[in-house]
Amino acid sequence: DAGITQSPRHKVTETGTPVTLRCHQTENHRYMYWYRQDPGHGLRLIHYSYGVKDTDKGEVSDGYSVSRSKTEDFLLTLESATSSQTSVYFCAISADTSNQPQHFGDGTRLSIL
Amino acid sequence: AQKITQTQPGMFVQEKEAVTLDCTYDTSDPSYGLFWYKQPSSGEMIFLIYQGSYDQQNATEGRYSLNFQKARKSANLVISASQLGDSAMYFCAMREGMDSSYKLIFGSGTRLLVRP
Repeated sequence: DAGITQSPRHKVTETGTPVTLRCHQTENHRYMYWYRQDPGHGLRLIHYSYGVKDTDKGEVSDGYSVSRSKTEDFLLTLESATSSQTSVYFCAISADTSNQPQHFGDGTRLSIL
Repeated sequence: AQKITQTQPGMFVQEKEAVTLDCTYDTSDPSYGLFWYKQPSSGEMIFLIYQGSYDQQNATEGRYSLNFQKARKSANLVISASQLGDSAMYFCAMREGMDSSYKLIFGSGTRLLVRP
């Protein structure tokens, strides 16, 4: 199994509070991704990173920021959480070859009350 | 326009029978890859099978095979001899070759329930 750890696995917080989710990998892969999963939408890309300090927006990036200061860590921050950001968040990693799958962490279930 | 379409929100299959999960895609990129993932009720995303746009043969991995019809832009997953453990959500995803981010575009998924 790919070495991907997400923390925390579950979090409940209140509207307006900041939240940071962490993704840690041990595979030394260049590419890392944050997705959110909501019923009826599959997985949608929030942000991704193609190297240390190199990040870019995905399809649903509003309200989220990311940082990658080390190859192994990719952080997702909700600066001021809203109820619409209640979701399951997945981190994924990928080797930079097009025929290799992305491997996913186990997800973080985030509830914003 | 949807790039990946999975038209079956839910399906039933009898144990030991085969089942086909549909996936159609839309891209103008001649180089692309198609992936299927399984998500059991425990929530993790499990990679099942990959098909490249230039692959001459349909991909197979154990009981999983991909019915790839390039002209129709379809990449249906076939599960043979269904087992109770196959009950899960199944997602089709596409990676476009010209996209240097290697990101995946997912369909909305199909929930498969295997009946004993």
